Amino acid sequence: QPVVTQPTSLSASPGASASVTCTLLSGIDVDDYRIYWYQRKPGSPPRFLLRYRSDSDKQQGSGVPSRFSGSKDDSANAGLLLISGLQSEDEADYYCAIWYSNSVIFGGGTKLTVL
Amino acid sequence: QVQLQQWGAGLLKPSETLSLNCTVYGGSLIGFYWSWIRQPPGKGLEWIGEISHSGDTNYNPSLQSRVTISLDTSNKQISLHLTSVTAADTALYFCARGKGYSNVIFDTWGEGSLVTVSS
Repeated sequence: QPVVTQPTSLSASPGASASVTCTLLSGIDVDDYRIYWYQRKPGSPPRFLLRYRSDSDKQQGSGVPSRFSGSKDDSANAGLLLISGLQSEDEADYYCAIWYSNSVIFGGGTKLTVL
Repeated sequence: QVQLQQWGAGLLKPSETLSLNCTVYGGSLIGFYWSWIRQPPGKGLEWIGEISHSGDTNYNPSLQSRVTISLDTSNKQISLHLTSVTAADTALYFCARGKGYSNVIFDTWGEGSLVTVSS
């Protein structure tokens, strides 16, 4: 099973909020890992958005709007990317990543559609 | 502002060696890890490996037997070599600067190099 799993797609309306989930493999505790989030739009390299482990251990990417934030769901063993006030420009692929066993592991990516 | 410029062969035949280079402009190598990351068509991101300014490397276990990442500090150039390529290695390849805890904050990226493996 993959170390990190993301839903393939997600859709939401402009102005609404969206939550992108990054689920860690059972046995890998989300509390022990910093989760990194990237945005990828066609024609551009990925952009670092933020990292989150806890409210006291987090970091926003340079120039990233505060509409993008991180959280976690302990019961689901998952990290969350929260996007509020959705805009059409937020339509993109979103990837989570962790450092695990001396490697960077990316999730499979979630395609967010804003419609 | 740091910029990464990539170049290398874009079309390879199966069993050949992929070679890509990435030059760092406007910044130092010191204090960062330099990664290669790829994205096959229609698929997600895959980390290939990284190298520090002092030459320490980490590789994706699934590619480790075929990958070498090296550093030319005098020219601030990071190189990727991937041997015995197959169609599965067809992808857009990026170099990226990593920083922070475990260097997973990739804050600067090259423009990407499309590599196609086809007979």
